[in-house]
Amino acid sequence: AQSVTQPDIHITVSEGASLELRCNYSYGATPYLFWYVQSPGQGLQLLLKYFSGDTLVQGIKGFEAEFKRSQSSFNLRKPSVHWSDAAEYFCAVGPSGSARQLTFGSGTQLTVLP
Amino acid sequence: DGGITQSPKYLFRKEGQNVTLSCEQNLNHDAMYWYRQDPGQGLRLIYYSQIVNDFQKGDIAEGYSVSREKKESFPLTVTSAQKNPTAFYLCASRMGTGGNSEAFFGQGTRLTVV
Repeated sequence: AQSVTQPDIHITVSEGASLELRCNYSYGATPYLFWYVQSPGQGLQLLLKYFSGDTLVQGIKGFEAEFKRSQSSFNLRKPSVHWSDAAEYFCAVGPSGSARQLTFGSGTQLTVLP
Repeated sequence: DGGITQSPKYLFRKEGQNVTLSCEQNLNHDAMYWYRQDPGQGLRLIYYSQIVNDFQKGDIAEGYSVSREKKESFPLTVTSAQKNPTAFYLCASRMGTGGNSEAFFGQGTRLTVV
């Protein structure tokens, strides 16, 4: 069965510092991978997605992610964090199951210090 | 603008009462999903529908019901049988069920039992 692990429940960084959020997945075939961001009390917004091709994908808001098949990872990065990046971040893999749904990780809460 | 609209944003339910959460999309998407979000647990699938007049149970369907009479609409009813309904509910839609079909989310409904 497919699964997604986000090992870090909560990460704190200073504004201007670099950021890396970890995501490991288990999937039986070539995965389709996604990163979403959620601000408090809001829905999820897609940051970026990987389907095939170049393993380094660029997304919105200056985020990027790298697919590493050998490590079953799809880590999210940003070179310089802004205070507005404080939010919860979800990694997802799919599709799977009879619903052909995306499977989401449990999320990483990002706090940005001034 | 195309998107998914959930209403209401906040909802309060008394013990023993049924309540219905609305989800409408104008993206012309075939597939629609309801997720429940609790702190630290990511997103759990309640129900999904891949076509009008058809829907299937997800991982935590007990105490919930849905209908899909129109392509645009996928309302969720939280029944009195759901013993712990306080949560954040997210509706999502996808163009299809292929892997390259990302999920679009509504802004969510926060349900509280009073």
